This record gives sequence, structure tokens and C-alpha cells, in this order.
Amino acid sequence: EAEVAQSPRYKITEKSQAVAFWCDPISGHATLYWYRQILGQGPELLVQFQDESVVDDSQLPKDRFSAERLKGVDSTLKIQPAELGDSAMYLCASSGQLNTGELFFGEGSRLTVL
Amino acid sequence: QQQVKQSPQSLIVQKGGIPIINCAYENTAFDYFPWYQQFPGKGPALLIAIRPDVSEKKEGRFTISFNKSAKQFSLHIMDSQPGDSATYFCAAEVTGNTPLVFGKGTRLSVIA
Repeated sequence: EAEVAQSPRYKITEKSQAVAFWCDPISGHATLYWYRQILGQGPELLVQFQDESVVDDSQLPKDRFSAERLKGVDSTLKIQPAELGDSAMYLCASSGQLNTGELFFGEGSRLTVL
Repeated sequence: QQQVKQSPQSLIVQKGGIPIINCAYENTAFDYFPWYQQFPGKGPALLIAIRPDVSEKKEGRFTISFNKSAKQFSLHIMDSQPGDSATYFCAAEVTGNTPLVFGKGTRLSVIA
């Protein structure tokens, strides 16, 4: 069964360090999303790609966060420098069409910033 | 500004009971309303979804009721089982325009 792959599953880092998360969407899915889920809250969109282009990054804290999807397939989300408030689950999702129907989520990358 | 307001935050029901989770929205342009289920350590997975042209949709033990005039929709779980214990999120989007926005979630515990 096709699924969204994410790594690492868990990351512990100290504040001011750099961290990176990787996502491989379901094959053929043109749209890729990065969501952040703080413990006890719903997912909140950080950035959305259509192929290799950013569609919406209005909620991405661009002073420390960056995201890319260079070849329109897999994607990397980077945080530099990490802050205590960045501790959260970072979820990647993909869909076959932009903002249409079901999102398929990966298992997420749990970040703890000490 | 929270675009989708979900209640309650948590819910405990006996096995066989019918938990009901509610969501309210403000944006009348929303035209797709899914419910996602999330187990601990996993990503959310689509459970059931509805569009505003119908007032109810049923899939197995799960039913969405939709009230367009009240801008509310709810999830009902019939004959709930301990395996249904999870966090449930409502969401909404404007098809082809805005990405899904999620409610804050309801943590459901079904006790035997």
C-alpha cells in the first residue's frame, strides 16, 4: 500500500541547532504539504507545494524555517536555529490534486528542542 | 482566528455508546468537510467526508450530519468500540482554493 514516508521519526536537539526533516510523498502526488502539530492541537499548515513550486507559505516562519521540493518529488523542511517553541510533530501529507479531497499523511517527525 | 471550532476537547463513553463530536465554521465558501482519525504516534487518516449538497453521510458505524444554515457538522460513532479510542479532527477547505484547516481535536476514550 502506498504511503507517505518521513524521517527521522524522532529528533532531539538543543536550541540554536539546525534540524531537517525529509518527506517522500505517495508516487504521482503533485501536491505536498507540511503541517505542524503541537501536542494536544490540530495540524496547522506551514507550507504547500504544487510540484516544485510553493503555493502557500504564508504561515511559515521564514526567519528560521525553509522548505524545498527541488525536483517536485521529495521535500525537506529545515529549521535553523531551533527554538524551544518549535517542539512539535511535523507532519507531511500529499494529495493527487491541489486542495481537493483526501490528504494522505505520513507518521510524522517528532521534534523535541531542549 | 480559528476557522473551525471543535467540541468537546475530550469525551469518554462506554462501549456501545454513541459519541458525538461537533464542529462549527464561519467561512461559507467551505465546500468540503472531512473527519480525520489519529492514533497515538501516527499521522491523521481520513475517516469520512461530506460536501454541503447532502445533510447526512454514513459509512459503516460512522455518520456525518451537516447543517448548512447553522454552519455546523458533527460526527456520530454508532456502537462505539475500544478500538475507536483516538483523537478525531474535523476539517474544512474550499476545493481547489484553500488547503484543509483543522479543528483542535477531540480525544475519545471508549471504555469496556
